Amino acid sequence: SAVISQKPSRDICQRGTSLTIQCQVDSQVTMMFWYRQQPGQSLTLIATANQGSEATYESGFVIDKFPISRPNLTFSTLTVSNMSPEDSSIYLCSVDRDRGITEAFFGQGTRLTVV
Amino acid sequence: QKEVEQDPGPLSVPEGAIVSLNCTYSNSAFQYFMWYRQYSRKGPELLMYTYSSGNKEDGRFTAQVDKSSKYISLFIRDSQPSDSATYLCAMSAPGNTGKLIFGQGTTLQVKP
Repeated sequence: SAVISQKPSRDICQRGTSLTIQCQVDSQVTMMFWYRQQPGQSLTLIATANQGSEATYESGFVIDKFPISRPNLTFSTLTVSNMSPEDSSIYLCSVDRDRGITEAFFGQGTRLTVV
Repeated sequence: QKEVEQDPGPLSVPEGAIVSLNCTYSNSAFQYFMWYRQYSRKGPELLMYTYSSGNKEDGRFTAQVDKSSKYISLFIRDSQPSDSATYLCAMSAPGNTGKLIFGQGTTLQVKP
């Protein structure tokens, strides 16, 4: 399995500010994904981040609110912009092992509270 | 209607019991089926992975897929307190995009 490190593990932020979450993988991967897990809810895909191209966003998520960078094959960042209390959630980075089948591994997540 | 339905529980069982966790789905194009275990304040951990209809066993865990009924199950034998966690089913979207669609998760508590 891939080792995925996320920073920060948790944060409390003021509304209107932005937070950038980092995801580091111990091996090169083509696909990286960002998910959101709201309290008591399941995981919802925010976007797919491939190196060398713009991130692909799912319905309901936009680049202005969740800009993503993917500078190389082992690293990605997700920014939560202009935060409101509704953004309080766990944000999870995930990678696929590039084996031609879907087998995703997750970081431990970033627990964000917006006050 | 959600693409993947999973009873959120909570489910409480005594130690040693057999646990059955289930998901139904609506999209017949789903190709791969996974079960994740998520401990409190941790990321999901991949437990089982299946592709075709039938059973797959790994230790105390058995994953079952019935594509004709659009129904998947995870069985845990001889359940242990350390199995207490949230169990999420997940399915891969068509097209090998890497996208996963998750069920809501079932919270399991195994009491000593």
